[in-house]
Amino acid sequence: DVKVTQSSRYLVKRTGEKVFLECVQDMDHENMFWYRQDPGLGLRLIYFSYDVKMKEKGDIPEGYSVSREKKERFSLILESASTNQTSMYLCASQEATNYGYTFGSGTRLTVV
Amino acid sequence: LAKTTQPISMDSYEGQEVNITCSHNNIATNDYITWYQQFPSQGPRFIIQGYKTKVTNEVASLFIPADRKSSTLSLPRVSLSDTAVYYCLVEQSSGSARQLTFGSGTQLTVLP
Repeated sequence: DVKVTQSSRYLVKRTGEKVFLECVQDMDHENMFWYRQDPGLGLRLIYFSYDVKMKEKGDIPEGYSVSREKKERFSLILESASTNQTSMYLCASQEATNYGYTFGSGTRLTVV
Repeated sequence: LAKTTQPISMDSYEGQEVNITCSHNNIATNDYITWYQQFPSQGPRFIIQGYKTKVTNEVASLFIPADRKSSTLSLPRVSLSDTAVYYCLVEQSSGSARQLTFGSGTQLTVLP
């Protein structure tokens, strides 16, 4: 069975900290994505990557960066965490365009 | 970008058929329509994907009219465990960039 694994289920960080959210997929998928989900706002795309070392901005990239050094791993970085980045973060992978996504279980990040 | 619109919520009773419609007026020729299901504190799960006419799998059917400006997810004989949020997604490709738009989601509540 295919799997997308997010390194932490819950995280609490302080304002100004640098935060790394890790995502690993074991399906050799080309595309990977980071979303955040907030009540009333649905899922919003932060960044995505369609190849190693490639990245594209999504709808809300401000305050975030990403890294994809290996095909199976896609990291989301909050350079200086702020309270408005408190959210559920969801990673997904996709075999290729127009295939379904496989999502991880999510990381609930609280910035205090 | 193809913006999607869905009803915010729907109620149904166990054993009934449920139809959830998504509108996507600006859908492009190469776009596919995908539906996901999400339970609280979990990542979304792929249900079904289609391009035109009708697609059926073991859990749902997807109806897409000829103009492709809308799609309808049909869940036969729902049970209490089908209570979840359902998202409609249109995936667009433009060269190397992929613009991904989730609908606002429909909260389906199945009543006994």
